Amino acid sequence: GNSVTQMEGPVTLSEEAFLTINCTYTATGYPSLFWYVQYPGEGLQLLLKATKADDKGSNKGFEATYRKETTSFHLEKGSVQVSDSAVYFCALPSSGSARQLTFGSGTQLTVLP
Amino acid sequence: GAGVSQSPRYKVAKRGQDVALRCDPISGHVSLFWYQQALGQGPEFLTYFQNEAQLDKSGLPSDRFFAERPEGSVSTLKIQRTQQEDSAVYLCASSPLTGTYANGYTFGSGTRLTVV
Repeated sequence: GNSVTQMEGPVTLSEEAFLTINCTYTATGYPSLFWYVQYPGEGLQLLLKATKADDKGSNKGFEATYRKETTSFHLEKGSVQVSDSAVYFCALPSSGSARQLTFGSGTQLTVLP
Repeated sequence: GAGVSQSPRYKVAKRGQDVALRCDPISGHVSLFWYQQALGQGPEFLTYFQNEAQLDKSGLPSDRFFAERPEGSVSTLKIQRTQQEDSAVYLCASSPLTGTYANGYTFGSGTRLTVV
């Protein structure tokens, strides 16, 4: 079935550093791909998405490009802020049901001032 | 409401106790989901409702887990005879859509259940 493999954390960066969180997927066809973010004490929020190959999703300075050649959807940000400290999850629809999402195990990001 | 509301935020249960977790979805959202998030893991699907109909309960880990949404709005996830492995954050999500979810869901903040 569909699955995602996400870069293990935790990741600790200094403010204004460049961020990459790797995500690779296994899927039937070309499903939509998502990044969710979970700030401390809060629920998951959709950060960005891409609905087809070669699409680039972007939001709040974060970007991710849907690359079918490498089956990847890596999350990037050019200059992180302390407020970006959170857990980031890569996700895609589960095989057999477009309603369900299959999530990666999450990557904890801490940004130090 | 403005968002998905879950209560209680925290629940401590003694092993063997029954618990009920509540979810208030966004008003008018047709679809409602429950997910279980173990510590350090991503959420895992439990069950799905479209209005009051429970269309998929394939993720419920045992018959001790039961969910309902009798009037197509508020949902309750009930766990009977809780065990330590049930300790997790239980997330509720809703969506106005009934088909594919290209726009994702709106999640609540979750209920953290600790079984002692």
